[in-house]
Amino acid sequence: DVKVTQSSRYLVKRTGEKVFLECVQDMDHENMFWYRQDPGLGLRLIYFSYDVKMKEKGDIPEGYSVSREKKERFSLILESASTNQTSMYLCASSLLGQASFQPQHFGDGTRLSIL
Amino acid sequence: RKEVEQDPGPFNVPEGATVAFNCTYSNSASQSFFWYRQDCRKEPKLLMSVYSSGNEDGRFTAQLNRASQYISLLIRDSKLSDSATYLCVVNPLTGGGNKLTFGTGTQLKVEL
Repeated sequence: DVKVTQSSRYLVKRTGEKVFLECVQDMDHENMFWYRQDPGLGLRLIYFSYDVKMKEKGDIPEGYSVSREKKERFSLILESASTNQTSMYLCASSLLGQASFQPQHFGDGTRLSIL
Repeated sequence: RKEVEQDPGPFNVPEGATVAFNCTYSNSASQSFFWYRQDCRKEPKLLMSVYSSGNEDGRFTAQLNRASQYISLLIRDSKLSDSATYLCVVNPLTGGGNKLTFGTGTQLKVEL
């Protein structure tokens, strides 16, 4: 079974802080993703990576950065947290397969509150 | 037009009923399709992939209609435990690395 582990289930931070969210997967997947999920908006892709040290912007990258130094680990960084970044953050991973029939496997999510 | 559109529901059905959800997608070049299930305050989990020929997994049947650009999910003999939000997911084949586009979900409530 694929295991995607996010470092925290719940996190409370203050406006202006630098926030790190960590994600680790144990299945040697090439692809890793960070999403945020908000009521009525569904999952929105922030950043993704298909290889070590590679990163691509998703649909809403503003205010975020990422780091992929090792294949199994993908970090999301909020450079200067703001209240509108309060959300549920979900990490996912998948194989880089042909024909793109590769579903994504999600971590449990981190509920981040910015005060 | 949204890339992936779903009726948000909620669909309230009695236990044992058959219920169907549709989802439309805008990119005709999309190649892979999935249904995910998400329980309240939990992460999405893959329910089933959707293949061109249609596929069935127990009480769940998924269909793809490329001409009309929609996919469907049919749940037979609904159980209370089927209550969840069902996410329609499409790979639009834009960008690298198997990027997926998620619908906002259809909420199902199965009642006694």
